[in-house]
This record gives sequence, C-alpha cells and structure tokens, in this order.
Amino acid sequence: SSELTQDPAVSVALGQTVRVTCQGDSLRTYYASWYQQKPRQVPVLVIYGKDKRPSGIPDRFSGSSSGNTASLTITGAQAEDEGDYYCFSGDTSGNIWLFGGGTKLTVL
Amino acid sequence: QVQLVQSGAEVKKPGASVKVSCKSSGYTFTKHYMHWVRQAPGQGLEWMGLVNPTGDNSRYAQRFLGRVTMTRDTSTSTDYLELSSLRSEDTAVYYCARDQSSTWTGKMGWWCDPWGQGTLVTVTS
Repeated sequence: SSELTQDPAVSVALGQTVRVTCQGDSLRTYYASWYQQKPRQVPVLVIYGKDKRPSGIPDRFSGSSSGNTASLTITGAQAEDEGDYYCFSGDTSGNIWLFGGGTKLTVL
Repeated sequence: QVQLVQSGAEVKKPGASVKVSCKSSGYTFTKHYMHWVRQAPGQGLEWMGLVNPTGDNSRYAQRFLGRVTMTRDTSTSTDYLELSSLRSEDTAVYYCARDQSSTWTGKMGWWCDPWGQGTLVTVTS
C-alpha cells in the first residue's frame, strides 16, 4: 500500500519523553527515516535505518520499529525540539517512496 | 562537505513549465540517486520522484505522471526537475535531496541527506 500515517499533533512537557509514530504496511519490510522541520527551514534528517543518528543530532533522539509502526522517541524533550516531524520510507513495492503527513510537536 | 545548491525562485503562469536545477558537490555524484520533494504553503512534504545515478531511469509519484521529468547531467553533477502544465496548486518549495540506503538484519531503509536549500515556484496569472 502507499500510505504512511502520522498523528497530526503531539505535545510534551519540557524534559519529558515523547513518542512520534508512523504507521504503514511497508514498515513491516522497510525502515523509516525521520526528519525535523522548523518553520521556514529545510528538513533535517534526525534518524535513519535501525536507530541511526547523523552526526550532530543529540542522543535524546532515537528510533524503533515494531510490526507496521516506526517510532521516533525524544527522551528529555527540549524547547528547540519543537517543529514538524516527518517519516519517510518506500512503499510495499519498494519502487516508489513517500512521506507521512507529518506531526507537529509542541513542547510545553 | 556535501552540498546541494538549487536554482533561484521562479514565477510562472498557469500552463507554463518550470525547470529547477540542483548542483551537487563534495561527493561522487554517480554513486547516488536523487529525490525531489515539494512542500506547498502550510502543507507537508510530498515525494515527487527520483532519478538513478546514471540518469537513465526515473520513478515518479503517480500524481505527477505525464507532467514531470527528472534528468541529470553527470558531466556537471547537476540534477533537473521539469514540471509542465503548471497550475496554482503547484505553487510550492521544491527540494532536491540525496538518496542513501542500507540494510540492517535483512531490512532495508532509505534516507534523504543532505537537502538542497529549496526553490520557490509560484504559479500565478
């Protein structure tokens, strides 16, 4: 199938842990990657593959996968983590790719 | 360092075509696919398609079939996105993003890194 589903919005208290999820049939077969986008900025890769973080991404960001769900967890959320988060993966055919609809994260 | 530099903003009339470029540097161009992604104002990221390393094969999202062409010039390490029959709904920031992929315990994953700075295409009469 060709759909990755994310919750439109999630909030978290400063310093607490939050999980952003992405559901789709293709996630049983492929890992998702995750992108953070702040207003008027270019998306930034934060997690890819089997819980890999690019250089410069804080270790409070982690990724996991179970069944048809990929998750991005922020442990000890900071004010600067506010933004939109998108998952990305191939569809079940592995011939096209797609983004989830995005989750707006608010840090209270 | 790896860098993708895109062409400047465009203003087009409905029905026209636009061609956006993305020049790569800092890595071996012919070892990576390139994705194109767009973002309409206030909307999410939308995958449009990708071109293979040698530029002789592309895959497009269904909704753009017949209107989009992705090409590359390996001699100048530049990718091109051309979108035709423009309409107001095509007003968006268009990004190129380098593809990477790997496999862990038999499961594959793709990611886009880095991204170009984006090119605003405005379609207005």
